[in-house]
Amino acid sequence: DAMVIQNPRYQVTQFGKPVTLSCSQTLNHNVMYWYQQKSSQAPKLLFHYYDKDFNNEADTPDNFQSRRPNTSFCFLDIRSPGLGDAAMYLCATSSRTGGDSPLHFGNGTRLTVT
Amino acid sequence: LAKTTQPISMDSYEGQEVNITCSHNNIATNDYITWYQQFPSQGPRFIIQGYKTKVTNEVASLFIPADRKSSTLSLPRVSLSDTAVYYCLVFSAGSARQLTFGSGTQLTVLP
Repeated sequence: DAMVIQNPRYQVTQFGKPVTLSCSQTLNHNVMYWYQQKSSQAPKLLFHYYDKDFNNEADTPDNFQSRRPNTSFCFLDIRSPGLGDAAMYLCATSSRTGGDSPLHFGNGTRLTVT
Repeated sequence: LAKTTQPISMDSYEGQEVNITCSHNNIATNDYITWYQQFPSQGPRFIIQGYKTKVTNEVASLFIPADRKSSTLSLPRVSLSDTAVYYCLVFSAGSARQLTFGSGTQLTVLP
């Protein structure tokens, strides 16, 4: 089945130690998104790629970076994680950015910062 | 940017029909309305999408009045497994910046 896969499902890192979360997709979608979801809150969009074109949300901290080496893979890099960055990180894809193009989500990576 | 407003929570009993309404007063002409379901520790899952009038699929119906300022997700005969958070999103072509989730509705189905 075509899907969005996030690895690992759980990640523990130390305060200030860089961490990378990965996402892969078999849907061949042009657009990939990263969302942050904290406990009991709605997902918050961090940034997205339309093909290789990177689009950052205005309020996404500089501590968060992303890479998309090819259509199938996208990475979220947190350069210096703080305690406030503990959250579920969700990757999603869509075929285009059109309003009629639904998002397909992975099951997320839960990040713990110690 | 179309802001959405939903009830924070709703309770229902098994076998009942549940209707969750989302308000989006400043919806734009090109905006589509999409609903997602999220279980704990999982990513949101697409349920249904519409532009106007009524849309029905195998799991839900979506009712959109003529002015499109609100929409209602209808879940027929809910079961315990429908307990989840339901999000309404309104966004238009060409702008992923509008893919902002509202607060969502926590639906709890009771036996």
